[in-house]
Amino acid sequence: DTGVSQDPRHKITKRGQNVTFRCDPISEHNRLYWYRQTLGQGPEFLTYFQNEAQLEKSRLLSDRFSAERPKGSFSTLEIQRTEQGDSAMYLCASSLAPSYEQYFGPGTRLTVT
Amino acid sequence: KQEVTQIPAALSVPEGENLVLNCSFTDSAIYNLQWFRQDPGKGLTSLLLIQSSQREQTSGRLNASLDKSSGRSTLYIAASQPGDSATYLCAVTGGSYIPTFGRGTSLIVHP
Repeated sequence: DTGVSQDPRHKITKRGQNVTFRCDPISEHNRLYWYRQTLGQGPEFLTYFQNEAQLEKSRLLSDRFSAERPKGSFSTLEIQRTEQGDSAMYLCASSLAPSYEQYFGPGTRLTVT
Repeated sequence: KQEVTQIPAALSVPEGENLVLNCSFTDSAIYNLQWFRQDPGKGLTSLLLIQSSQREQTSGRLNASLDKSSGRSTLYIAASQPGDSATYLCAVTGGSYIPTFGRGTSLIVHP
């Protein structure tokens, strides 16, 4: 297994456009997490899935954000009507019970112009 | 709500020094604590995971300790090298299995 992968690695978009990111977790991991990280800060939790069920969403996740994990494998994070404040690194991680050790992907850097 | 603080925010040391990075947390009811390394513009790389029942973990030149009662963890790096230059992040996971991260310690090891 090659670890957690994310696509694209970089995305530049104009304000108001919609963007979608993809995350492929480690294959046997049933938990998948999305985070947002801005410069000088630690990752902030957005949402997580256990298999295909989305179990928790942060209050940071406005109505413009939606995430799916349709078959309990890969996940997508969509941001509608992007704003300049959405510019950040979006990180995906996966884990497996009982350790719940987090394994991160390389991230998607979003720039909203 | 769990809060995680990392001190110092930045550290610059000459090569070869032994150093200690600190992580403190407010809620001692944790499931595990994980230390990560992050290079600029990259994702996080797991260094060490300490379960709540453990007191320390070691990997090569790295040693992490956990004291739940005082809400503290330390990451000890022996014989630092320029390649250790990075940001080190601490993440505390509670019963919800959702980690809370500190803001990190930015480390520069100069030759």
